[in-house]
Amino acid sequence: DIQMTQSPSSLSASVGDRVTITCRASQDINNYLAWFRQRPGEAPKALIFGASTLESGVPSEFSGSGSGTDFTLTISSLQPGDFATYFCLQYMVYPLTFGGGTKVATK
Amino acid sequence: QVQLQESGPGLVKPSETLSLTCAVSGVSISSLYWWGWVRQPPGEGLEWIGEIRHSGTTKDNPSLKSRVTVSMDMSKNQFSLRLSSVTAADTAVYYCARRGDCIGGNCYLNYFDYWGQGILVTVSS
Repeated sequence: DIQMTQSPSSLSASVGDRVTITCRASQDINNYLAWFRQRPGEAPKALIFGASTLESGVPSEFSGSGSGTDFTLTISSLQPGDFATYFCLQYMVYPLTFGGGTKVATK
Repeated sequence: QVQLQESGPGLVKPSETLSLTCAVSGVSISSLYWWGWVRQPPGEGLEWIGEIRHSGTTKDNPSLKSRVTVSMDMSKNQFSLRLSSVTAADTAVYYCARRGDCIGGNCYLNYFDYWGQGILVTVSS
């Protein structure tokens, strides 16, 4: 199985801050990487797919980068609704695997 | 508008079979997609369980040791999950979700783009 190592597991930030979350795959996943935001009590919502393509309707404060095994999600200016948990997903091979999550909390 | 809605018992006894259904609206499940299940134990991360393709092909997570059955009912536009021999470790919120299929060799749309709201299933006697 491909292991997805996400870091940090949690961070504290303020509205307006720039936030960076990373995901490392245990082998090359050829950019088959998606990012999700999950607010408490809600289902995950897709933000980025193909490592860097913004999902329709997602604000441009979100961006994704990286290739091969190392990927980054950046929130350029944290908004109140962005305090949530973020997950990455590799969908290149079975079994599909998620990162452990990064909880973004208020500083 | 695409919508997915899980339904089923919220409490299952150990050793019994967990059965959930996902009703789909706004798109036919015979369209070019995969229809799958993901779960999240309380306070933990996400785990892919299994899925079924529009053609009927199924895939499931080997970590669940062949306890998974995913099926579809075209007439009702819904798909289902059965997880046998459950234990307390199977207690989780279960989500159904849609995943794109490869088109012309491009598989970058094969991520989960629509999710149900989730249903908590507790395994307890």
